[in-house]
Amino acid sequence: ETGVTQTPRHLVMGMTNKKSLKCEQHLGHNAMYWYKQSAKKPLELMFVYSLEERVENNSVPSRFSPECPNSSHLFLHLHTLQPEDSALYLCASSQVWTGEEQYFGPGTRLTVT
Amino acid sequence: KQEVTQIPAALSVPEGENLVLNCSFTDSAIYNLQWFRQDPGKGLTSLLLIQSSQREQTSGRLNASLDKSSGRSTLYIAASQPGDSATYLCAVWGNAGNNRKLIWGLGTSLAVNP
Repeated sequence: ETGVTQTPRHLVMGMTNKKSLKCEQHLGHNAMYWYKQSAKKPLELMFVYSLEERVENNSVPSRFSPECPNSSHLFLHLHTLQPEDSALYLCASSQVWTGEEQYFGPGTRLTVT
Repeated sequence: KQEVTQIPAALSVPEGENLVLNCSFTDSAIYNLQWFRQDPGKGLTSLLLIQSSQREQTSGRLNASLDKSSGRSTLYIAASQPGDSATYLCAVWGNAGNNRKLIWGLGTSLAVNP
């Protein structure tokens, strides 16, 4: 595998479910990001991890919980989501946290029913 | 607060045309600017990154220019092909304080017709 991978690619979950999104980067980067992409809105940065430490949390509801066990892996744990959370969730990585070119995964299309 | 605007929102052209996509930003104090491509329902692919000290970058049929003082960037696509059909996103890195992150435009949806 090369680049940034995300699993699953599609996820349908009920509002009471708990699920996790996984991201893995094979680029040797030190920073990883979660973005939310909704129709008619700019990409929203959710979380940033640099060297496995969270450095940015953009007022994201607590029903989204990130985890970065090492510099290659990033998770987004989901619980008690709302229908408005349905979106494309994108993971990205870069060599360092700020100002560097970002490389994106294919995304997870999440539908909350 | 930095804002990024992309015009037009959508564009449809016949194959072979040269075309220009526009991106404007409100705060000229940027670190760099990136252009991305997104195919429907998929992730983003980085096309070009222009540092604030640069005026342009080229990759194949793509040329991106940057005019920091006027807060504008353009992405020029030469001899467009149907495979260029996608959404093109512009994003700027601020260089201080609350702007120290990528700020995104909404994108230009491009359709190149055979």
